Amino acid sequence: GAVVSQHPSWVICKSGTSVKIECRSLDFQATTMFWYRQFPKQSLMLMATSNEGSKATYEQGVEKDKFLINHASLTLSTLTVTSAHPEDSSFYICSALRLAGVVSGLETQYFGPGTRLLVL
Amino acid sequence: SQQGEEDPQALSIQEGENATMNCSYKTSINNLQWYRQNSGRGLVHLILIRSNEREKHSGRLRVTLDTSKKSSSLLITASRAADTASYFCATDSDSWGKLQFGAGTQVVVTP
Repeated sequence: GAVVSQHPSWVICKSGTSVKIECRSLDFQATTMFWYRQFPKQSLMLMATSNEGSKATYEQGVEKDKFLINHASLTLSTLTVTSAHPEDSSFYICSALRLAGVVSGLETQYFGPGTRLLVL
Repeated sequence: SQQGEEDPQALSIQEGENATMNCSYKTSINNLQWYRQNSGRGLVHLILIRSNEREKHSGRLRVTLDTSKKSSSLLITASRAADTASYFCATDSDSWGKLQFGAGTQVVVTP
């Protein structure tokens, strides 16, 4: 089956530092990846859509200068949390869209295992 | 923003019993998907039901979809302790893969 990895799986950093999280599709190419964040005991909130070779599309209320997304290849998207603060502490999950030819609305998203960020 | 609501928020049952959870959404959809998340882990895709389907089965899972009521249900039959997890519905409304997740139902199955 399709596998998506995230690195690191958890990170602790000091307030004001930047943190980069990688999302890789290991055995398929993904022109589109998504980034979500999840607070404890809450649902996933879509942050942005990452498209290979173009700028990411951010959801309303998500600061694009705060959460930098780079989709440099068909298997890698990175999310950089810049100048992290304690309120950025969360579980960040990426997913990769596996396409089978023409977009049909039936594509399956494959989720990474998540990255837990704690900002002190 | 979240697409809709799920109920119940939490469900506690014994092994062997069935677990039913419901999901409602607000906009028209292309498909609806159900995912499972074990505590602190990533999501596992369970089942996808298209907007023109009414019912779908996969092993011990049964999903229904009522587009007139904008609702879906997930039934887990003969539950096991390993089914303990949070279950989320997610809707795809724009054909480009963007998913809107429901609030989730936390299921606890006790031996």
